[in-house]
Amino acid sequence: DAKTTQPTSMDCAEGRAANLPCNHSTISGNEYVYWYRQIHSQGPQYIIHGLKNNETNEMASLIITEDRKSSTLILPHATLRDTAVYYCIGDNYNQGGKLIFGQGTELSVKP
Amino acid sequence: GAVVSQHPSRVICKSGTSVKIECRSLDFQATTMFWYRQFPKQSLMLMATSNEGSKATYEQGVEKDKFLINHASLTLSTLTVTSAHPEDSSFYICSARGFGQEHSPLHFGNGTRLTVT
Repeated sequence: DAKTTQPTSMDCAEGRAANLPCNHSTISGNEYVYWYRQIHSQGPQYIIHGLKNNETNEMASLIITEDRKSSTLILPHATLRDTAVYYCIGDNYNQGGKLIFGQGTELSVKP
Repeated sequence: GAVVSQHPSRVICKSGTSVKIECRSLDFQATTMFWYRQFPKQSLMLMATSNEGSKATYEQGVEKDKFLINHASLTLSTLTVTSAHPEDSSFYICSARGFGQEHSPLHFGNGTRLTVT
């Protein structure tokens, strides 16, 4: 499974864009990159995923570098409710689809 | 959207007793479900993969006789913590992906907070 590296914590001002980086230099060609977040004492919430192309949905945008060794999750207008731990994970469907969580980035959105 | 429901959300039990946690996929069928455990200030740790109609696959270091998993139907998996001890106190979370939906996102339950006294 692809190991991912994320900063331990980040701050963001409310209303500004939050850009969360992730390095996944060992990702294989058919391995998707998934982003989840976990708000305190809740189960993880799916945000977005991608393989090669940039992706956008109602929650966020995902920018994947051409060499697929890193990606950035963008929350365009962060709110206080976006304060959470954000996890970047490589898909491991070839081994049964299990997701192995790293330590994630603790994002604090401040007023 | 797809929903995974866990029950109970919180449980307190005495040391030595067993506790059963249920995980249901509400609007889709899941041949595979995953069980995670999370200690305070730590990330989620995968415990086991629950396979419908067959034995669960446990991650290294997880005792299969202590954490019994049953996946009797396409919408229900249960985790039983047997002879619970205070060190088993943790946040247990299940997840599932729809049958045949490779590369679709995993859906997570809201977790079960287990406290063993």
